[in-house]
Amino acid sequence: ILNVEQSPQSLHVQEGDSTNFTCSFPSSNFYALHWYRWETAKSPEALFVMTLNGDEKKKGRISATLNTKEGYSYLYIKGSQPEDSATYLCASPYSGAGSYQLTFGKGTKLSVIP
Amino acid sequence: GEEVAQTPKHLVRGEGQKAKLYCAPIKGHSYVFWYQQVLKNEFKFLISFQNENVFDETGMPKERFSAKCLPNSPCSLEIQATKLEDSAVYFCASSPSSSGQYEQYFGPGTRLTVT
Repeated sequence: ILNVEQSPQSLHVQEGDSTNFTCSFPSSNFYALHWYRWETAKSPEALFVMTLNGDEKKKGRISATLNTKEGYSYLYIKGSQPEDSATYLCASPYSGAGSYQLTFGKGTKLSVIP
Repeated sequence: GEEVAQTPKHLVRGEGQKAKLYCAPIKGHSYVFWYQQVLKNEFKFLISFQNENVFDETGMPKERFSAKCLPNSPCSLEIQATKLEDSAVYFCASSPSSSGQYEQYFGPGTRLTVT
């Protein structure tokens, strides 16, 4: 079983500020790293799946980087908007008895203050 | 469909009663995963299917939990004799592959409250 950790647990930023948060995972036997955006009572929405060391992916104002050698990924949000308020989850696949089940971090809850 | 559908949205059961949750994966996705979210934001893997076959059940509590994915029917997760600690949001996800390098597409979850 993997240990995936996220920090900070929660974050409040002003509208227009840029922000970032961290996901840490074991660097040995790395396979992939998933980022999800989740609003309570809705479906977690896949943002990125990252596999290669040095990967950088971007979706609008959100981007993510990956360092598999040291076991971390950063998620960046540029010019935060109130609609960015959500919990951001990272997850790493763990090969159980055949399928790659996702092991999730506890998330970073972002609140963007208008 | 283009989204994973889960029913019901909310389910309330008295302790000891049975609970049954349903999941319709995205059409064309062969793999279905069930996760349990008990404490705030802690998603715990329960079981996965490849079509109607159990693929990995290492997360399933053996005694009271069972799951099925039958052809031409929604997948189901059943809890016999529910306990207070089964109160959680149960998420279903589907994927075209079991590889961890593919996205898993999540449904909105079923909130089970055991009283």
